[in-house]
Order: sequence, then structure tokens, then C-alpha cells
Amino acid sequence: DIVMTQSPDSLAVSLGERATINCKSSQSVLYSSNNKNYLAWYQQKPGQPPKLLIYWASTRESGVPDRFSGSGSGTDFALTITSLQAEDVAVYYCQQYYTTMWTFGQGTKVEIK
Amino acid sequence: QVQLVQSGAEVKKPGSSVKVSCKASGGTFSSYAFSWVRQAPGQGLEWMGGIIPIFGTANYAQKFQGRVTITADESTSTAYMELSSLRSEDTAVYYCGRDYLVRGAIRYWGQGTLVTVSS
Repeated sequence: DIVMTQSPDSLAVSLGERATINCKSSQSVLYSSNNKNYLAWYQQKPGQPPKLLIYWASTRESGVPDRFSGSGSGTDFALTITSLQAEDVAVYYCQQYYTTMWTFGQGTKVEIK
Repeated sequence: QVQLVQSGAEVKKPGSSVKVSCKASGGTFSSYAFSWVRQAPGQGLEWMGGIIPIFGTANYAQKFQGRVTITADESTSTAYMELSSLRSEDTAVYYCGRDYLVRGAIRYWGQGTLVTVSS
């Protein structure tokens, strides 16, 4: 299975500041035939199921605020929240869907400083 | 609007099995991938496996091979996950999910089913 490793495990950011979460895959999730990275990001708030934020590493899901952005390619990815809002407090997960056995990162908890 | 409604909470004895259902409504059932993802208390998300009903064959995470069975009933638009040989470490919330535009990006989620394994 592809192992997804996120860093840091948690971070505290002031309201209005930038938060960046990193995700590294144990092998490339870039499919050369279509030049797409098979990588998604999710947000999960307590007591709720996850919510899809981004797919193809950088395509924002409909309705997701544009302060959320994804970047990276191959094995190294990032989710950036510019201007953190109170409602962004959550745990964020990356997930690869490159192989038939999908895997998640361990999660990164984002809090307000 | 797509909705996934899961069966209710379960309490099981160690060594027994549990079968959780996920009934889909509001969209085409057969051509999308249904996944099962679990979350132990205070822990992260763990993909267990999935199925595309029109193809019928399920894929499983290596960790659960031999212990989990995922099926889908097209006649009732319901996906199922059965986990056997339960142990206390299987206590978790089990979510079903379905993709949409992108195979693998799980857009729709059920409400979760708490399975408690306790003697």
C-alpha cells in the first residue's frame, strides 16, 4: 500500500494567518498518461464525517472557499489555508486514489493560536 | 441530492461479526465507487475497501483482507460491509462514502455507524 505521511501532526495558527499542511506519499501518485496527481484533501470537524475539499491535488470542490488551495506533484503535496477563519478548526487528511487500495494520511489538527 | 443512510449502532461480542448497511438515494447507484472508511475513537481515517456495483468485485486494504466483505445490492441501492472475527480494536465509527466526478475522491458520506466490540 502507498503510505501517506502528513506533517505536522498539529498546528496552531492565529486568525487571519496562513496554515500549511504537508503530505508525502511513499511513491508517486502522478499518473503520467494524463498528468494528474491522484491526491485529495478532506476536512473533518468533530462528530461529522469528512468533507471533500480538493481533488487532483489542486482542484477545489464546488462550494469550498478559495482560501483553501492545494499544490504539489509526484510525492510531495501541501494544503494551504490563507487567512485562517474560526470555522476552519478541524482535522485535515490527505488521501491517495492512485492505486486500487486507497490510503489516508494520519491527519493534521488545525487550531487557533 | 445524493444521500447515504447507514444502519444503526451495534454492540458485538469479540469473535462475532457485524454487517453495516449504507442505502443510497438521489442518484445513480451502480456506476460509482462505494468505500468503507473507519475511525477508531480519537484516531484518524482508515480506508477498508470499496466496490463499484456495476463491476461487482471489491478491493480491500491489505490489513483487512480475509476479514472484511463488501457487497452491493443494485436492486435496493444498498452497499454492505461485513467485518468478522471482531476484536476490541475494531471499536470504531464506520463510514460509507461514494465518489462522484472523480473515481476515488469521496464526495458523499453516510452519517457513520458506531460499532462497539465488548465482552
